[in-house]
Amino acid sequence: NAGVTQTPKFQVLKTGQSMTLQCAQDMNHEYMSWYRQDPGMGLRLIHYSVGAGITDQGEVPNGYNVSRSTTEDFPLRLLSAAPSQTSVYFCASSRQGRNEQFFGPGTRLTVL
Amino acid sequence: SQQGEEDPQALSIQEGENATMNCSYKTSINNLQWYRQNSGRGLVHLILIRSNEREKHSGRLRVTLDTSKKSSSLLITASRAADTASYFCATAHSGGYQKVTFGTGTKLQVIP
Repeated sequence: NAGVTQTPKFQVLKTGQSMTLQCAQDMNHEYMSWYRQDPGMGLRLIHYSVGAGITDQGEVPNGYNVSRSTTEDFPLRLLSAAPSQTSVYFCASSRQGRNEQFFGPGTRLTVL
Repeated sequence: SQQGEEDPQALSIQEGENATMNCSYKTSINNLQWYRQNSGRGLVHLILIRSNEREKHSGRLRVTLDTSKKSSSLLITASRAADTASYFCATAHSGGYQKVTFGTGTKLQVIP
């Protein structure tokens, strides 16, 4: 099993550009989440999904969109990138009823 | 908002010594987890302790939970250079999805 995969590993955007961060898992997990990690802030939840077709907002959802059309994929869209979105983004998945989360390797995003 | 706060923020010890990290949280929890993050990588789940448990062991890891003080500690015994990483506590609350809230982390350096 590949576990949780994320692409790209690194990305540089200009202010106002849009892009999609990809996340996929092959463990048939129901739950998937997106976090951002900033220095001294720990991880903060952006959006999450409890199953295909069901998404909800986390702690810091503004400026991001998600969709979950399949169990495996959970892309994160930045609509109009801002320097404040410079961060490391992690996707995670977990089985329904279990809190242990499996994390992807992260995407390091810089917005100029 | 951050739920967990780790203490200390950074810890440097010699190989073979024990490392203790503490986590305090603010509101009632369903369970508390500890994760490890090696530099530039995703988080890896280490151990989960439920709110009705007081102590749990896994290999060289020992976790305690004091719900009256809203605090937990992670002890790593006989540390190794490979234990060098950041350690995060994460609290899960009641509810279907059980959103997990991460603390700010303790950076552990084990000197060979």
